[in-house]
Amino acid sequence: EVQLVESGGGLVQPGGSLRLSCAASGFTFSNYAVTWVRQAPGKGLEWVSTISGDGSSTWYADTVKGRFTLSRDNSKNTLYLEMNRLRAEDTAVYFCAKDIDYVSTALFYFDYWGQGTLVTVSS
Amino acid sequence: EILLTQSPATLSLSPGERATLSCRASHSISNYLAWYQQKPGQAPRLLIYDASNRATGISARFSGSGSGTDFTLTISSLEPEDFAVYYCQQRSNWPQITFGQGTRLEIK
Repeated sequence: EVQLVESGGGLVQPGGSLRLSCAASGFTFSNYAVTWVRQAPGKGLEWVSTISGDGSSTWYADTVKGRFTLSRDNSKNTLYLEMNRLRAEDTAVYFCAKDIDYVSTALFYFDYWGQGTLVTVSS
Repeated sequence: EILLTQSPATLSLSPGERATLSCRASHSISNYLAWYQQKPGQAPRLLIYDASNRATGISARFSGSGSGTDFTLTISSLEPEDFAVYYCQQRSNWPQITFGQGTRLEIK
C-alpha cells in the first residue's frame, strides 16, 4: 500500500525557518518524482515544488523560489522541504504527493497524497 | 501563467442526478488536464488525467472530456459520497502547474 506521511509542521514567526519531511512507503521511491502542494485555510490548491526521482532536477513556484529548498534521500525514502524567510502568506496545509508516472522525469499528475502538515506563520 | 476558471462555484444537486462541472483554461493546454476530488479534512484524490483517462480505482460514474481550453467532468449519477470539492489542474506549461479555484458540489 502506498503511503506518504508528512511531518514537521507547526507555528513559526515571520522570517523564521521550518523543515518539513515526507516519509514514503509502498512503492519504489527513487523511481518517482514527488511534489509539495499547499492549501491555505479555506482556499484552493497551490503547487509549491517538485523534485525528480533521482533528485537531479527541482522546480519551484515563483512564490517560494529562493526561500524554499526541496531535496530527497532515496536511501531513507524521505523527502525534505526546507522553508526559510517564512511569511504569513505561507500559512497552509502542506501535502506531499507522488507523481503518477515513473518513466518520465515528472508528469505532474499526482496519484497518491499524504494527509498534510499544517504550517502557521504568525507572531 | 495559465489560469484555470471553474464553473459553477457551487453546484447543488440531489443523489441520482447528473453533475456537469466545467474548467476553462486561459490558453490552450491540449489535453493536459486532471481532475481531483477533495472532501473536508482529506487530501485530494486523483480522478481523471489527460482530460479523459480515469485513474486507478475510480468509478466509471466519473468521466472527463475536452481539449484545448474547455473541459468537463461529468458524474453520471450522484452517490452520497460524491459531494465534495472538485479541482482541475493543468500540466501543459510544466513546471508552472496551476489548479482551478474549485467547484463545491453540495446536496440539494
